[in-house]
Amino acid sequence: GESVGLHLPTLSVQEGDNSIINCAYSNSASDYFIWYKQESGKGPQFIIDIRSNMDKRQGQRVTVLLNKTVKHLSLQIAATQPGDSAVYFCAEEDSGTYKYIFGTGTRLKVLA
Amino acid sequence: GAGVSQSPRYKVAKRGQDVALRCDPISGHVSLFWYQQALGQGPEFLTYFQNEAQLDKSGLPSDRFFAERPEGSVSTLKIQRTQQEDSAVYLCASSFDRAGAGGVYTFGSGTRLTVV
Repeated sequence: GESVGLHLPTLSVQEGDNSIINCAYSNSASDYFIWYKQESGKGPQFIIDIRSNMDKRQGQRVTVLLNKTVKHLSLQIAATQPGDSAVYFCAEEDSGTYKYIFGTGTRLKVLA
Repeated sequence: GAGVSQSPRYKVAKRGQDVALRCDPISGHVSLFWYQQALGQGPEFLTYFQNEAQLDKSGLPSDRFFAERPEGSVSTLKIQRTQQEDSAVYLCASSFDRAGAGGVYTFGSGTRLTVV
């Protein structure tokens, strides 16, 4: 994967504001996309997924948007809370395979 | 168990030492994956098992890496003659469905390997 060393892109938001985390994926053949949340010292935790035949999917406080034309994925978190502070990864699954290809991650910091 | 369990949580190995990392997937899960996560990066695929069969080992970095899942449940990732570049968090994930069915993978907390 692409290397970003120790300096992950960081998004700082005020508690209660909405957060938008963006991700560019690489493979136009990918047909399944997932957002994961990873807290320090823990493994990635599933947040929400979307298939390529959709352009929007909503969960509890989270929405994923998919733009296949520009190969872009975004995660929107409503009313961001301190517990949302973590690193967020998007992942794509190539059609017909099972391998997840993870993006480089974005660190979300929630300011009180 | 309720989740994917990995042991040990931390492992410090001297360069050249062999290590074995264990993964206990969720009971009944067919698919099991190993990923490697370097500091500050996203996880990268290493290998995939469907039950006891290792269907894909294309992500293993070298022939020093070996994984097994002999009875289709617990899996072990073995690294021989460890080198500094092997330092990373090794994540295990499992899924109820066979892979490619779009099932959600549940990750363990990983084993952080440091080679000194």
